[in-house]
Amino acid sequence: EAGVAQSPRYKIIEKRQSVAFWCNPISGHATLYWYQQILGQGPKLLIQFQNNGVVDDSQLPKDRFSAERLKGVDSTLKIQPAKLEDSAVYLCATTGGTGDHNEQFFGPGTRLTVL
Amino acid sequence: SQKIEQNSEALNIQEGKTATLTCNYTNYSPAYLQWYRQDPGRGPVFLLLIRENEKEKRKERLKVTFDTTLKQSLFHITASQPADSATYLCALDTGGFKTIFGAGTRLFVKA
Repeated sequence: EAGVAQSPRYKIIEKRQSVAFWCNPISGHATLYWYQQILGQGPKLLIQFQNNGVVDDSQLPKDRFSAERLKGVDSTLKIQPAKLEDSAVYLCATTGGTGDHNEQFFGPGTRLTVL
Repeated sequence: SQKIEQNSEALNIQEGKTATLTCNYTNYSPAYLQWYRQDPGRGPVFLLLIRENEKEKRKERLKVTFDTTLKQSLFHITASQPADSATYLCALDTGGFKTIFGAGTRLFVKA
């Protein structure tokens, strides 16, 4: 089966600009996650969707970050305006297939640099 | 708050030896624990899951133990190879198909 797709792979912007990331999950996977991974740290959950509904967005900085999952399939994560501390890799992951319980399948990530 | 600790320093071992990575946690009782591998520039890849009622689980050269009394999991790679060099992440279940990740331990296997 095809994996989780993310685009773009790399993005460089200046602070106060806006940016959007896109994720296409594995077909049939109901649960979708967006993580932020800062260099040297583990992935930190930003938002979790179950189909097109939000399950957990408690760690999403809602004053600048937003996310949606269109028709329970593709998802976009937006940052507006970006800050220097938003420089990180943004990972999309999905689960809900026939693998081990709650095995998460990750995309390659989008590396964001904010100057 | 929930806390996960993994060896912050990199682990350097010789090819053929067994690598042992540690994951300690506090303030939680997870129903299961997972281990992932992450290579530079890539997303994490799932390796193994162990449930709270399982003491040990094996998959090829990998072995995971889970001690809920010590609140610790050990991850072993036997007969290690240079291709095993990567960062290994421990992840705890927090319910609702959600996990929290440790910072990871970098493993270097020298030929």
